[in-house]
Amino acid sequence: DAKTTQPNSMESNEEEPVHLPCNHSTISGTDYIHWYRQLPSQGPEYVIHGLTSNVNNRMASLAIAEDRKSSTLILHRATLRDAAVYYCILTSISNFGNEKLTFGTGTRLTIIP
Amino acid sequence: DAGVIQSPRHEVTEMGQEVTLRCKPISGHNSLFWYRQTMMRGLELLIYFNNNVPIDDSGMPEDRFSAKMPNASFSTLKIQPSEPRDSAVYFCASSEGGVYDGYTFGSGTRLTVV
Repeated sequence: DAKTTQPNSMESNEEEPVHLPCNHSTISGTDYIHWYRQLPSQGPEYVIHGLTSNVNNRMASLAIAEDRKSSTLILHRATLRDAAVYYCILTSISNFGNEKLTFGTGTRLTIIP
Repeated sequence: DAGVIQSPRHEVTEMGQEVTLRCKPISGHNSLFWYRQTMMRGLELLIYFNNNVPIDDSGMPEDRFSAKMPNASFSTLKIQPSEPRDSAVYFCASSEGGVYDGYTFGSGTRLTVV
């Protein structure tokens, strides 16, 4: 699977939007972009995933660049509970039946009250 | 739904002892995954099952590690004999259909081998 690059850490103020970037310059046309987060002392939690179009759900929005070489996870109004490590992961549908999530080091998001 | 249930939450054992970690996936989920998390190596996929059949065990570190899924509602990860370097948090996750349905993780088992 193609590699992703994320900043090691970010800070944001409470109640403000947060934009978490992910670079994936070697992404292929069949690669999906997944985001998970891991709150302290918990297992990872699914956030969102997409292929080409921007995606929205109750937790976040995923903005995918037109060339798909980067994407941004948007938390519209950060709360203290959003402090976590956020992982951006690619999987290839060409591995259909054998796709698996391979976690990198992620971005540690700190929310400032 | 109670989610993915792992037991025990914490396990402390002496080097050389056998350790068995347990996982109950979400009912109706066909895929089950075992991950290990350490500070040094992050989250590593050890093995995953689809419809109770092991699909990929390339992440299992050594023959001391084994995993079984005797039925759709139960899986075990066994370490025999355990070593201090096996100390980690072990997560189990399940999914209805794979990555495109999202994984649901359990709360993990923190294993300490002394």
